[in-house]
Amino acid sequence: DVKVTQSSRYLVKRTGEKVFLECVQDMDHENMFWYRQDPGLGLRLIYFSYDVKMKEKGDIPEGYSVSREKKERFSLILESASTNQTSMYLCASRSSGTSGTQFFGPGTRLTVL
Amino acid sequence: GIQVEQSPPDLILQEGANSTLRCNFSDSVNNLQWFHQNPWGQLINLFYIPSGTKQNGRLSATTVATERYSLLYISSSQTTDSGVYFCAVRLAGTASKLTFGTGTRLQVTL
Repeated sequence: DVKVTQSSRYLVKRTGEKVFLECVQDMDHENMFWYRQDPGLGLRLIYFSYDVKMKEKGDIPEGYSVSREKKERFSLILESASTNQTSMYLCASRSSGTSGTQFFGPGTRLTVL
Repeated sequence: GIQVEQSPPDLILQEGANSTLRCNFSDSVNNLQWFHQNPWGQLINLFYIPSGTKQNGRLSATTVATERYSLLYISSSQTTDSGVYFCAVRLAGTASKLTFGTGTRLQVTL
């Protein structure tokens, strides 16, 4: 079974802090994704990566950056956390090509005070 | 971009009842998945079903790609089926992102 893990289940940070959210997958997937989920807004794609050191902006990249130095690891960075970044963050991975099932991690519930 | 609509938005069932959730999409797709988000927030894969019919226990799904819809059937519902069900699709001819519907929130009561 594919396993996608995220570094924290719950995280509380202060405004202005730099925040790192880590995601690791164990199935050698090329594609990895970061989403945020907010009530009434559904899942929104922040960034995705289709290969090591490659990244593409999603629908809402502002205020975020990402890093993919190794194939299995995809990091989401909040350079200066703000209260409007309080959300549930979900990481996912998928093999390349037009087919392929996308698998999600358990999520990180981030609160910025 | 492709539009994905799910219905109904909310559903309350008594344990043991059956239900059908619907996902309509506005363009041809090469990938369609159904997910269940449990009360702890984890999204669990249910089906990868760009076309045809699949069954897994009490759940089954059918996608009619030519008519641009998919149905998720839940039979003999249990309280553990509660949560939000999402449909997600990818535009045909691309290997790009999945587009998610807004979900159906299901509550199964005793």
